[in-house]
Amino acid sequence: AQSVTQLGSHVSVSEGALVLLRCNYSSSVPPYLFWYVQYPNQGLQLLLKYTTGATLVKGINGFEAEFKKSETSFHLTKPSAHMSDAAEYFCAVSSSGGSNYKLTFGKGTLLTVNP
Amino acid sequence: DAGVTQSPTHLIKTRGQHVTLRCSPISGHKSVSWYQQVLGQGPQFIFQYYEKEERGRGNFPDRFSARQFPNYSSELNVNALLLGDSALYLCASKIRGENMNTEAFFGQGTRLTVV
Repeated sequence: AQSVTQLGSHVSVSEGALVLLRCNYSSSVPPYLFWYVQYPNQGLQLLLKYTTGATLVKGINGFEAEFKKSETSFHLTKPSAHMSDAAEYFCAVSSSGGSNYKLTFGKGTLLTVNP
Repeated sequence: DAGVTQSPTHLIKTRGQHVTLRCSPISGHKSVSWYQQVLGQGPQFIFQYYEKEERGRGNFPDRFSARQFPNYSSELNVNALLLGDSALYLCASKIRGENMNTEAFFGQGTRLTVV
């Protein structure tokens, strides 16, 4: 079975500060990892994904994430927060085999950006 | 180009009633998945359909059912509604269903309230 743990249900940063959202996963097979963003009353938008290859993944809106197999982590970062980054962020895992038809999501982290 | 469209956007139902939610995938996409997102939680996988066949089912009771039509649109049906079924129901479409390394595109969801 696969699972995702997002540390911190709420993260608050100042505009211009570093954003760090933490995600740890559990998977018995090589994982595919995703970060999605959800704005109020909206669906989910893919920020970035890791499948194979380079462990540092760059996404949209200046976000990036690094896959660390030894730490079973896939933390999301952005060097400088913008007010428009305020949203809920979800980390998700799937796999290259087995339950490869579904995404398993974490509980989400609400990001607040203060002026 | 139209994205994933879901209808209705909001609805209110009474306990014990039945509800049908609809999803039209992106043109050319053959896979549709359904997720339930309870307030304050991450989305939970309900079903995946690919080429009109059920390819995966999550841990939901038999009151939940779905189907996919020849034009690849999909319906999610929930019978005997309970208060706990109140949630945002998300539909996601993909070009193919067999690999999770292809991006899933989400609709804006249907907000179901059971009273």
